Amino acid sequence: SAVISQKPSRDICQRGTSLTIQCQVDSQVTMMFWYRQQPGQSLTLIATANQGSEATYESGFVIDKFPISRPNLTFSTLTVSNMSPEDSSIYLCSATGGWKDTQYFGPGTRLTVL
Amino acid sequence: AQSVAQPEDQVNVAEGNPLTVKCTYSVSGNPYLFWYVQYPNRGLQFLLKYITGDNLVKGSYGFEAEFNKSQTSFHLKKPSALVSDSALYFCAVLSGGGGADGLTFGKGTHLIIQP
Repeated sequence: SAVISQKPSRDICQRGTSLTIQCQVDSQVTMMFWYRQQPGQSLTLIATANQGSEATYESGFVIDKFPISRPNLTFSTLTVSNMSPEDSSIYLCSATGGWKDTQYFGPGTRLTVL
Repeated sequence: AQSVAQPEDQVNVAEGNPLTVKCTYSVSGNPYLFWYVQYPNRGLQFLLKYITGDNLVKGSYGFEAEFNKSQTSFHLKKPSALVSDSALYFCAVLSGGGGADGLTFGKGTHLIIQP
């Protein structure tokens, strides 16, 4: 199984600023994903991070708000741009070696926007 | 589009008793089903999955789940509950349509094991 780390683990940010979250996997993986878990809610897929090309976003999420990079097979970043209090959530990255393989999750980044 | 339903927000079980956490799904194509557990202030931990084969799947920490195609269900079970099993449980589905889709999660079920 893949071991996934995220930085930062938590942050408190001011409205209108941006935060970049890093996700590092301990081995090369085929697919990486970003999810959001709003307070008391389930997980919602934000996008698939594609290596060497633009991320694939789910309905309701746009690149200008959540730009994603994936420069190689072990690393990805998610930026939450122009933040508002509604962006306060836990952001989790996941990784898998293949489409039907198990997705393993990072510990999450707890973001609070004031 | 795929969806997952977990009809119970909370399940209460006495320690030592069997437990069941319910999950039903809706997908076009073959379903690929997963259970994850989330402890407070921690990420998601994988428990088990059904891809193909035997309908009864065994996973981590003594958990198992039964895939029932006719009822479109994938209930999580454990013969004897432990207090340490208390956590938030998520059922998830990956559609069988191929591509690079992520998981669709149910809303989660809080499992509370009473000593």
